[in-house]
Amino acid sequence: AQRVTQPEKLLSVFKGAPVELKCNYSYSGSPELFWYVQYSRQRLQLLLRHISRESIKGFTADLNKGETSFHLKKPFAQEEDSAMYYCALFTGTASKLTFGTGTRLQVTL
Amino acid sequence: NAGVTQTPKFQVLKTGQSMTLQCAQDMNHNSMYWYRQDPGMGLRLIYYSASEGTTDKGEVPNGYNVSRLNKREFSLRLESAAPSQTSVYFCASSGQGQETQYFGPGTRLLVL
Repeated sequence: AQRVTQPEKLLSVFKGAPVELKCNYSYSGSPELFWYVQYSRQRLQLLLRHISRESIKGFTADLNKGETSFHLKKPFAQEEDSAMYYCALFTGTASKLTFGTGTRLQVTL
Repeated sequence: NAGVTQTPKFQVLKTGQSMTLQCAQDMNHNSMYWYRQDPGMGLRLIYYSASEGTTDKGEVPNGYNVSRLNKREFSLRLESAAPSQTSVYFCASSGQGQETQYFGPGTRLLVL
């Protein structure tokens, strides 16, 4: 069965410091992975997906099939990055996503 | 183009009461989903509808029913609310062959 693990519930960093939000997955098929972000009291929105290999708001994520990981990185954290981040795995059937438990990123001055 | 909308935004129920959460999308998407979001649990899929006329159970379907009224609308019903159903409920939709899901603003439900 598919599974997504985000080991950190809370990650607190200083403004300007590098950020790495960890995500590991377990899936027997060919994985498609996503990062969703939820700002305070707002709806979830797509941040990026590994297929597009793009950088959004300075964030990047590389799929590492050997380590079954899809960590989210940003070189310099900004206050506006404070939010809840969810890693998600697309499993194909009915376009279902399996979400991790989320990591709250807190960027402080 | 409103995307995915949900009503109500907030609701308080007493144990045993029933209610229906409404969701609609105007993106002509085939698939629709209901999730619940709980602290430390992330988002868990309750039910989904791959296309109009079909519905399937997700990870945590007990205590819920759904109706795919038409292509636009997908409702979630709690027949007899329990305190364990206190949560934030999100509806989402996605297009055919598209992996990206688009979420509604959520409904905060408190069951006393």
